[in-house]
Amino acid sequence: KNEVEQSPQNLTAQEGEFITINCSYSVGISALHWLQQHPGGGIVSLFMLSSGKKKHGRLIATINIQEKHSSLHITASHPRDSAVYICAVKGGNQFYFGTGTSLTVIP
Amino acid sequence: NAGVTQTPKFQVLKTGQSMTLQCAQDMNHEYMSWYRQDPGMGLRLIHYSVGAGITDQGEVPNGYNVSRSTTEDFPLRLLSAAPSQTSVYFCASSRDRGEFNEQFFGPGTRLTVL
Repeated sequence: KNEVEQSPQNLTAQEGEFITINCSYSVGISALHWLQQHPGGGIVSLFMLSSGKKKHGRLIATINIQEKHSSLHITASHPRDSAVYICAVKGGNQFYFGTGTSLTVIP
Repeated sequence: NAGVTQTPKFQVLKTGQSMTLQCAQDMNHEYMSWYRQDPGMGLRLIHYSVGAGITDQGEVPNGYNVSRSTTEDFPLRLLSAAPSQTSVYFCASSRDRGEFNEQFFGPGTRLTVL
């Protein structure tokens, strides 16, 4: 069983398109994390959120704790946004990760 | 700050060999963890530590040992390598075990077991 489910698994978009990646989870949490894994393999944290919405530049993350669902939106997508986006939640002492959404933005 | 460092970046082992993957952080973080990443599967927790001298098993601990003698270092030992341990290994750290702490990841070690 997967505690964290992401959709879609793969996503190809034209430059400039609005992109949405979804995350659903089954464990009770107080915070959810969105991570970005670059094509070279490095992983960086994008957002931590526990309610409502957060915005960093062209990236927007929303969460509904009651529905156990989060979305990551990218506005005006750019080829440099091409990466794997990973949703993660903390249950107890462990993080649980989604399998990631591989995004390719075509110029 | 160097953040989280891992060595080596790449390693090829033969079945049965042992080795240690090194991980160090210079942020005085209490929480450190090791993950493996396999195609089609999310990052899976191998072992974690909530402070020096304290370690615990994660989701996939078999075949791996860890120790945490200092706050900075958290090595992962493969006791007798098997082809099933071919994977990319990531070390991560965060300030403490709290949910709201950002995780910092090392660059990863790509391990192939023949």
